[in-house]
Amino acid sequence: AQSVTQLGSHVSVSEGALVLLRCNYSSSVPPYLFWYVQYPNQGLQLLLKYTSAATLVKGINGFEAEFKKSETSFHLTKPSAHMSDAAEYFCAVTSGAGSYQLTFGKGTKLSVIP
Amino acid sequence: GAGVSQSPSNKVTEKGKDVELRCDPISGHTALYWYRQSLGQGLEFLIYFQGNSAPDKSGLPSDRFSAERTGGSVSTLTIQRTQQEDSAVYLCASSLRTGTGRNEQFFGPGTRLTVL
Repeated sequence: AQSVTQLGSHVSVSEGALVLLRCNYSSSVPPYLFWYVQYPNQGLQLLLKYTSAATLVKGINGFEAEFKKSETSFHLTKPSAHMSDAAEYFCAVTSGAGSYQLTFGKGTKLSVIP
Repeated sequence: GAGVSQSPSNKVTEKGKDVELRCDPISGHTALYWYRQSLGQGLEFLIYFQGNSAPDKSGLPSDRFSAERTGGSVSTLTIQRTQQEDSAVYLCASSLRTGTGRNEQFFGPGTRLTVL
């Protein structure tokens, strides 16, 4: 069984401030981890993924995430928030080879204050 | 190339009616997935297809839900005798193949279903 916990259903940051969205997972086997972004009335777009290569993963739009096995975490960061980053962010996990379904966290809505 | 497309984008129906939701995956993607996004439950996995077969239907919430895929391409999710709790956004995704876990799933824009 696998699960994902995203701390904070809503996060607000000032434009130019650090963005930190938290994700913790549980998985009985080494996981693959993903961050998706969803803009209003749109589908999900992949930001980045961890598939057991480098633990620091760089994605699109300046986002990155670090896989920390000891903390079972995969937090998403961006050094400087832009207004265009306002969206909902979802962390998801699959349990490695043989898996197919994504298990999602509840999502974190990011607001950027001008 | 074109991404995953879904139709209709919005569907309003009356309780008890049947609805069909369509998904057209990215060309060449053999794996196709259906998810449901609702306020109370978040994003839930419903079913996936590898080619035309659906090895795991356990995510379907009730026997009113069914899905098929023909020609290894288009998929239809059918909900019979709709109930108000079926109101949600139904998302379709596709990937090159399944079984590895690492393949990115590409999502469509979703169909917003409202059951009155």
